[in-house]
Amino acid sequence: SQQGEEDPQALSIQEGENATMNCSYKTSINNLQWYRQNSGRGLVHLILIRSNEREKHSGRLRVTLDTSKKSSSLLITASRAADTASYFCATAFGGSQGNLIFGKGTKLSVKP
Amino acid sequence: KAGVTQTPRYLIKTRGQQVTLSCSPISGHRSVSWYQQTPGQGLQFLFEYFSETQRNKGNFPGRFSGRQFSNSRSEMNVSTLELGDSALYLCASNDLGSDTQYFGPGTRLTVL
Repeated sequence: SQQGEEDPQALSIQEGENATMNCSYKTSINNLQWYRQNSGRGLVHLILIRSNEREKHSGRLRVTLDTSKKSSSLLITASRAADTASYFCATAFGGSQGNLIFGKGTKLSVKP
Repeated sequence: KAGVTQTPRYLIKTRGQQVTLSCSPISGHRSVSWYQQTPGQGLQFLFEYFSETQRNKGNFPGRFSGRQFSNSRSEMNVSTLELGDSALYLCASNDLGSDTQYFGPGTRLTVL
């Protein structure tokens, strides 16, 4: 079963608007990661937040983590058409960071 | 540093055949993971190799196998192909120091 579940499944916004995606997970974690995937291509690592962190920023990205609610959110500010992609959250299992469980992703469409 | 390379990028096979996919990780990375991505099941972990040893395996039948060489390059093999094996196969090079996975562009396998 999926460890992470993203919400919403699809999101359509205008350029310049902010996009917020949420992720819920089931078990305790050491960290949570967000990835982006452009249509049919490989995944690009965006940001990693550790379980002892509540918020992290990277450029136009802001990630929050609430371990009590087992949830995380990814905020993309001032979105651009180039941000159009699918976004996945992922957590590790089995004691190794080499095994990630991904959610089904949020498909973001940014219209120019 | 060069990124993760996967070969071939596209592959068409028929049912019953076997296929071998190759992955070269980022120089210095000793851990490689493989994932299968399909529209129905999403991203699913196949296996992880570290220093030529399989460290973890996902819930896939024995037709799926892999190996890692002393130079950290990895191959995965799927025998007796089924239509349902059509998928994007992604290899990830694992930076164990930062808990980050870097993905290759994937191999798109189509089984006819």
